[in-house]
Amino acid sequence: EPEVTQTPSHQVTQMGQEVILRCVPISNHLYFYWYRQILGQKVEFLVSFYNNEISEKSEIFDDQFSVERPDGSNFTLKIRSTKLEDSAMYFCASSENRGVNEQYFGPGTRLTVT
Amino acid sequence: QKEVEQNSGPLSVPEGAIASLNCTYSDRVSQSFFWYRQYSGKSPELIMSIYSNGDKEDGRFTAQLNKASQYVSLLIRDSQPSDSATYLCAVLSNTGNQFYFGTGTSLTVIP
Repeated sequence: EPEVTQTPSHQVTQMGQEVILRCVPISNHLYFYWYRQILGQKVEFLVSFYNNEISEKSEIFDDQFSVERPDGSNFTLKIRSTKLEDSAMYFCASSENRGVNEQYFGPGTRLTVT
Repeated sequence: QKEVEQNSGPLSVPEGAIASLNCTYSDRVSQSFFWYRQYSGKSPELIMSIYSNGDKEDGRFTAQLNKASQYVSLLIRDSQPSDSATYLCAVLSNTGNQFYFGTGTSLTVIP
């Protein structure tokens, strides 16, 4: 069964450093998303992406964040200058279409900022 | 701010019993609703979607939706210890671009 994959599974970085989180969505899906979950808290939407542009972003997704689909399979989230409060699980998701879509989540990347 | 509310639990049920999980949402025009299961340290796993008022059954799971009351629920029949997890209610935004998640209900099925 097709699934969303993410790398790395765990990333440790120092405050102020840049990190890139990678995702490979399900191959026939057209809509891509990033969510985060701070430990013990709810899953929060960051950004959605379709047709090589951002469809919607939340207040969390400020100028330090960016997304890119550099080729036909990868979807990346870059955090330019990490802060301690960026420590969280970051989930990539994809869906075949919008509207009544069903979003399938990857296993997540645990980001630890020290 | 779109709100999705769930009882955080923990909810404990004996093996073989019915577990009932509830969710309310604030946006009256929401149309699409989803239940996810999340094991500790893992990602959300889709269980069911529901779009129309009434019941939708899939195996041991039944989702119920009442748009007038802005209420969606999940029933798990014949609960198994492997059902022990946090259950997340998700409501799709009107733009179709994002989910609003509840904080989740922790379920423990006691053998």
